Amino acid sequence: DTEVTQTPKHLVMGMTNKKSLKCEQHMGHRAMYWYKQKAKKPPELMFVYSYEKLSINESVPSRFSPECPNSSLLNLHLHALQPEDSALYLCASSQDLASLRNTIYFGEGSWLTVV
Amino acid sequence: SQQGEEDPQALSIQEGENATMNCSYKTSINNLQWYRQNSGRGLVHLILIRSNEREKHSGRLRVTLDTSKKSSSLLITASRAADTASYFCATDIYNQGGKLIFGQGTELSVKP
Repeated sequence: DTEVTQTPKHLVMGMTNKKSLKCEQHMGHRAMYWYKQKAKKPPELMFVYSYEKLSINESVPSRFSPECPNSSLLNLHLHALQPEDSALYLCASSQDLASLRNTIYFGEGSWLTVV
Repeated sequence: SQQGEEDPQALSIQEGENATMNCSYKTSINNLQWYRQNSGRGLVHLILIRSNEREKHSGRLRVTLDTSKKSSSLLITASRAADTASYFCATDIYNQGGKLIFGQGTELSVKP
């Protein structure tokens, strides 16, 4: 079972709202990721968690706040977003970070529209 | 910043033909992975090739890696209409554990 589950599939929020995107995996993976993808563009790395600790933050604005409550869950808290933040947000997981065979598995994504 | 360049940006072929996509990258890598993405959907992992491997096969897929030229290619043989999708290469950057950086992608259209 190589499944990463993301909820919600679609989210529309106002610029003053606070919302969260959720991601779950039950593969025993210890690394989890958030990517952002705009239309017709490749995914861009936002955050990497390793063993529930933030390992990489790609200079993401503070209006995006990641959280890893346990090894199976990854959240992305959203506050005071801008319309240009509208995108597909992809969660991914992998066994760990330190392997030549570190296959990374992606979820279906959450479509975010900021109005 | 994006590490990979892919070409062609778009490729249109007939069913049954082979499709070749190329990927170039800039820095040392642990491995290179190829993904498929259907419109508006998540990424599906196709194949991973390690930095010490030169060629790998999986079904109708053949991937090559030339670390001296920092390039890789994905060959899809006997293409089908269902192969229509965007294809991305992604490099796992050496010594930056977890930093998987995607190329710009190739849009493949397979006409029945």
